[in-house]
Amino acid sequence: EKVMTQSPATLSVSPGERATLSCRAGQSVGINLAWYQQKPGQAPRLLIYDASTRATGIPARFSGSGSGTDFSLTISSLQSEDFAVYYCQQYSGWPPWTFGQGTKVEIK
Amino acid sequence: QVQLVQSGAEVKKPGASVKVSCKASGYTFTNYAMHWVRQAPGQRLEWMGWINAGNGNTKYSQTFQGRVTITRDTSASTAYMELSGLRSEDTAIYYCTRELYGYIAFDIWGQGTMVTVSS
Repeated sequence: EKVMTQSPATLSVSPGERATLSCRAGQSVGINLAWYQQKPGQAPRLLIYDASTRATGIPARFSGSGSGTDFSLTISSLQSEDFAVYYCQQYSGWPPWTFGQGTKVEIK
Repeated sequence: QVQLVQSGAEVKKPGASVKVSCKASGYTFTNYAMHWVRQAPGQRLEWMGWINAGNGNTKYSQTFQGRVTITRDTSASTAYMELSGLRSEDTAIYYCTRELYGYIAFDIWGQGTMVTVSS
C-alpha cells in the first residue's frame, strides 16, 4: 500500500495570500495524483487530477505540480471560500487507492 | 445535473450488517465505475472498493475483504455497498463516488451516509 503524507497539518494564511500544500508518496506514483477540497459537512470536491490538470469548473488560482513522490498544490490568492481541508490521493498501479491525512487551511 | 443521492443515516449494533444505496442521475450509469470511500471521525478518507457499473466486476480493498459487497442495479441506476460484521470502528460517513472517465480520480460524490455502530 502506498502511504501518502501531507504537510503541514494546518496552514494559517491571510485572505489574498498564497498557500502551498505538500504531499509526499512513500513510493513513486508517477503523475497519478489527485487533490480534493473538503468543507465541513460536505463531500470532497475534485480539484486536480494527473498531478496538474484542473477538474471542470475549478478556478485558475488552484494549480498542482510534481511527479514521482513529491507533489504540491498552490492556491495563488486565497479567497474566503478556499478555507477548508485539502487531501491528496494516489491512483498508481493497483488498488488500494490511498489518501493523505489532510491539510487544514485556516484563516490567519 | 449529474448527481449521486445516497440513502439515509443508519444506526446498527455490533455484528450487524448495513446496506447503503447510491442513486445516480444525469449521466449514463453503465458508462462509469463507482467507488465507495469512507471517512471515520477525524480520520483520512479510506477507499473501500469499486464496481464497474457496466459489467458488474468488483474489486475490494484487502482491509475490507470478506466483509464488503458492492453491487448495482442498472435498471435503477443505483449502486449498493453492504458491510457486514460491523464493529465500533466502522462508525463513519460512507460516500459513493463516480470515477472520472479515464482516470481513477473521483469527480462526483454522493452526500454521504452516516453509519453509527453502537451497542
